[in-house]
Amino acid sequence: GDSVTQMEGPVTLSEEAFLTINCTYTATGYPSLFWYVQYPGEGLQLLLKATKADDKGSNKGFEATYRKETTSFHLEKGSVQVSDSAVYFCALINLSGTYKYIFGTGTRLKVLA
Amino acid sequence: GAGVSQSPRYKVAKRGQDVALRCDPISGHVSLFWYQQALGQGPEFLTYFQNEAQLDKSGLPSDRFFAERPEGSVSTLKIQRTQQEDSAVYLCASSSASGVPGVGYTFGSGTRLTVV
Repeated sequence: GDSVTQMEGPVTLSEEAFLTINCTYTATGYPSLFWYVQYPGEGLQLLLKATKADDKGSNKGFEATYRKETTSFHLEKGSVQVSDSAVYFCALINLSGTYKYIFGTGTRLKVLA
Repeated sequence: GAGVSQSPRYKVAKRGQDVALRCDPISGHVSLFWYQQALGQGPEFLTYFQNEAQLDKSGLPSDRFFAERPEGSVSTLKIQRTQQEDSAVYLCASSSASGVPGVGYTFGSGTRLTVV
């Protein structure tokens, strides 16, 4: 079945450091890909999305490119801030059947001042 | 309302007790999803409603889990004879019917169920 694999955390960075969180997927067909963020005590929030190969999703300085050849959707940010500390989830939706998310296990990011 | 509201926010149940978790979706949203998020894991799909119709319940882990949405708005997830492995955060999400799949989904803050 469809699945998403994320790098394990926690990831601890200093403020202004470069961030990469790896995500790879297995799916039939051409899924849509997403990154969600979960701040402490809050609900999941959509961070960015890409719906076809080579699409780049971007938001709040974060970006990720849909790479069909490597089945990857790595999240990057050039300069992290303390306020970026959260848990990040990579997810896919397969366009056949129910539009349900398949989530990765999440990666906790901690940014130190 | 402005967002998806879930209640209660926290629930402690004794093993064997029945529980009911409520989700108030955004007004007018036809699609409603329930997910289960175990500690340290990503959310896992439980069930999907379009209006009052339950179109997919393939993720419900056992026949102890039951969900309903009788009037196509508020939904209730019921767990009978709770077990310790049911301890998790239960998330509800709603969306409008149109648009790119996955975009326009709003998640609630969840109900944290602890079975003791």
